[in-house]
Amino acid sequence: DQQVKQNSPSLSVQEGRISILNCDYTNSMFDYFLWYKKYPAEGPTFLISISSIKDKNEDGRFTVFLNKSAKHLSLHIVPSQPGDSAVYFCAALFNAGNMLTFGGGTRLMVKP
Amino acid sequence: DGGITQSPKYLFRKEGQNVTLSCEQNLNHDAMYWYRQDPGQGLRLIYYSQIVNDFQKGDIAEGYSVSREKKESFPLTVTSAQKNPTAFYLCASRYSGGGDYEQYFGPGTRLTVT
Repeated sequence: DQQVKQNSPSLSVQEGRISILNCDYTNSMFDYFLWYKKYPAEGPTFLISISSIKDKNEDGRFTVFLNKSAKHLSLHIVPSQPGDSAVYFCAALFNAGNMLTFGGGTRLMVKP
Repeated sequence: DGGITQSPKYLFRKEGQNVTLSCEQNLNHDAMYWYRQDPGQGLRLIYYSQIVNDFQKGDIAEGYSVSREKKESFPLTVTSAQKNPTAFYLCASRYSGGGDYEQYFGPGTRLTVT
């Protein structure tokens, strides 16, 4: 049973526009969430995170929003750039633990 | 230049052979992890280690073994008991102190077993 789900396997966006990647979770014990970006044949790189005590965290072009009541988080990228084209994974953990639970990923394609 | 190294990048083995994947980090991180990624899927945790000489099973540990004799090194052995060993294997590490929970990943090893 997938505890973290990314229901959109792919997303296509025009350069300069906003990209919104979504993630849903089922385990209400999750208290920390992370987004990773991954290029083919490479390891994921950490992008941004958010604690469950917050509902928004911003870092440059990247903003993560958390809606605990809906068990939903989203990553906004503004403005989108062709170099943002990659697979994005959301991940969750609870109680400062070691076991990150990953979603299945969303492939973002930013068209010039 | 700190980071996580995995070698080799590509590895080919015959069915029935054990194979060991290397993971080294010079970030002085306490915790280390092994994940597996299959096409179109997310990452699944195989094993993790919080300190030297200690490790715990993740979600899919069957057919794998690990050791943690040094803080810097966390090798993964894919045994012949692993039914579907062909996959992309990722090693990660994390500093256990403080409030940072980010895991930092190596470049990965693609294992193909035929």
